[in-house]
Amino acid sequence: DAKTTQPPSMDCAEGRAANLPCNHSTISGNEYVYWYRQIHSQGPQYIIHGLKNNETNEMASLIITEDRKSSTLILPHATLRDTAVYYCIVRVDTNAGKSTFGDGTTLTVKP
Amino acid sequence: GAVVSQHPSRVICKSGTSVKIECRSLDFQATTMFWYRQFPKKSLMLMATSNEGSKATYEQGVEKDKFLINHASLTLSTLTVTSAHPEDSSFYICSADRLAGVSAQYFGPGTRLLVL
Repeated sequence: DAKTTQPPSMDCAEGRAANLPCNHSTISGNEYVYWYRQIHSQGPQYIIHGLKNNETNEMASLIITEDRKSSTLILPHATLRDTAVYYCIVRVDTNAGKSTFGDGTTLTVKP
Repeated sequence: GAVVSQHPSRVICKSGTSVKIECRSLDFQATTMFWYRQFPKKSLMLMATSNEGSKATYEQGVEKDKFLINHASLTLSTLTVTSAHPEDSSFYICSADRLAGVSAQYFGPGTRLLVL
């Protein structure tokens, strides 16, 4: 799986949008971009994923650049409960597609 | 979203004993499950890929005789830490892929193992 690069930490004010970047410059054509988050002492929670089009669900939006070498996860109105470690992962969409976790971004939402 | 459960959520055992951790997909079938371990303030490290009806595939550096994996059905995988030692103390997390369609890995809540 391709390697991803994320900033180690970010702060965001409560109620504002949180934009979390991810670089995946070596992504292959059959690899999807997945985002997960992990709140302390819990298992990772799936947020969103996409191949090349922008995606939106009830939790977040995912913006993937046209060359697919980077993406941004957007939490439109961050709350204190969004404080977590956010992981960007690229993996093939098969039942054997392993998820290789990097160090992620620790997002701290402040009141 | 899909639900994956783990049991137990927390276990304390004596050095030298074996501990079994169960991972279940509750509302979907999974031919493939993954086992991770996570040390404090570190990222998840993939240990092995569990395949229903066949042998698990272990990542480099993971002892297959130490961490026994069984995936006997499409909804259950087990990880047994044999002859546990204090250095095996960690947070163990499983994940499961849906059987078909565009898959997202769904993770269990994790099992915290403390070996005394």
